[in-house]
Amino acid sequence: DAGVIQSPRHEVTEMGQEVTLRCKPISGHNSLFWYRQTMMRGLELLIYFNNNVPIDDSGMPEDRFSAKMPNASFSTLKIQPSEPRDSAVYFCASSPRKLESPLHFGNGTRLTVT
Amino acid sequence: DQQVKQNSPSLSVQEGRISILNCDYTNSMFDYFLWYKKYPAEGPTFLISISSIKDKNEDGRFTVFLNKSAKHLSLHIVPSQPGDSAVYFCAASGINAGNMLTFGGGTRLMVKP
Repeated sequence: DAGVIQSPRHEVTEMGQEVTLRCKPISGHNSLFWYRQTMMRGLELLIYFNNNVPIDDSGMPEDRFSAKMPNASFSTLKIQPSEPRDSAVYFCASSPRKLESPLHFGNGTRLTVT
Repeated sequence: DQQVKQNSPSLSVQEGRISILNCDYTNSMFDYFLWYKKYPAEGPTFLISISSIKDKNEDGRFTVFLNKSAKHLSLHIVPSQPGDSAVYFCAASGINAGNMLTFGGGTRLMVKP
C-alpha cells in the first residue's frame, strides 16, 4: 500500500498564476478530502468527495478555488489566480466508506505564492 | 468559531513521565473523536480514536479519555519517549457527517531525554 500520494511536494509560484495540486488516494477508498494547514487557522477542511461526487465544499475559501475528482484514483485542487495569502500546506486524505474509519493523509504540498 | 480547541500550543515533558494533551469541543453532535500525530514535512497519521459510547480507549502507551458532559477529551502518553515529540491534533466527527473531520489547532509536544 503506497498510501495517499500528493504532487508536487513543493510549489513556488508568482501571484496571479494558476496552481494545480494533485492527489492519488489509497486504492479502494471511497472518500477523499482536501485540507489546508496554516499557522492561523490550523487544519481546515476545504472539500470532500464520496464516490467521486463533491459532498461538502463549504470550506472552499473563494471562487478562485476549484476541485475535481474525475475518477476514483485521482483528484485535483486548482487555484486560479493564486494570491500570496494562499500560501499554506495542502493535504489530501482518503478513507474507506465505512463510518468511523480514520483518514489517511498524504505528505502534503507546500505552496508558496510570491 | 472553532468547534474543536486545543488551548495549549505546546507542552514539554521529561522522558519517562506522563504527557497529557487536552482538547475541548463545542458541537454536541460530535460522536467520534480521534488523535493524530504529525512530524515535520509529513502528513498527520492516525494514533487512536474513541466513540462517544465509551469514556476510555487504550492502545499501548496511549490512552484517550472522553468526558461527554464536559465536552472534553484528553490523550495520555505513558511513558513518554523522545520519539513522541511531534504535533498532536485532536479531531472530531459528527452524526451524518460521514468521515469528515474537524480538527483542533494542534499541540506541539517536546519530550526531553
